[in-house]
Amino acid sequence: DAKTTQPTSMDCAEGRAANLPCNHSTISGNEYVYWYRQIHSQGPQYIIHGLKNNETNEMASLIITEDRKSSTLILPHATLRDTAVYYCIVRVAGGAGTASKLTFGTGTRLQVTL
Amino acid sequence: DSGVTQTPKHLITATGQRVTLRCSPRSGDLSVYWYQQSLDQGLQFLIQYYNGEERAKGNILERFSAQQFPDLHSELNLSSLELGDSALYFCASSVGQGRGDTEAFFGQGTRLTVV
Repeated sequence: DAKTTQPTSMDCAEGRAANLPCNHSTISGNEYVYWYRQIHSQGPQYIIHGLKNNETNEMASLIITEDRKSSTLILPHATLRDTAVYYCIVRVAGGAGTASKLTFGTGTRLQVTL
Repeated sequence: DSGVTQTPKHLITATGQRVTLRCSPRSGDLSVYWYQQSLDQGLQFLIQYYNGEERAKGNILERFSAQQFPDLHSELNLSSLELGDSALYFCASSVGQGRGDTEAFFGQGTRLTVV
């Protein structure tokens, strides 16, 4: 799986958009970009994923650059409950017999403040 | 609620002992993944099963073993426990065998403390 690079920590004011960057310059054509977050010591929570198009769901938006070497997770209106460690993961699209585990890095610790 | 159930939530045991952690995947999910998270290591992939068969192995110690049963629940067995095995153990499940576009959902973990 391709390696990812994320800032160690970020701060965001409540109500503002949180933009979390991720570099994955060695990503392959068949690798998806996934975002998970972990609040305190809870189980990681799936947020969103994409291959090459921008994606949006009820939690967040994912913007992937045209060359796919980087992406940004956007939380449009951050709240205190969004304080968590956010993980950017690239994951190969598995075929028959191919395992596709999630390899977690160190992530970005997002602190949302009043 | 992710739909993945892990039991027990907490476990305290002595060094040298053996424990079994249990995971019930989401209904319909065939893949189960086990992860270990200790303070200084982050989330480490241990092993994956798909429909009863082992599919991938990560940094899993020989003292640890796992299996997935016909009803798709999985157990992680940890033996000859050491203080360094104290960690959070997470189970995740997903629908497929590992298609890249299938998200995995995590349980709330089992906190193991070895004393």
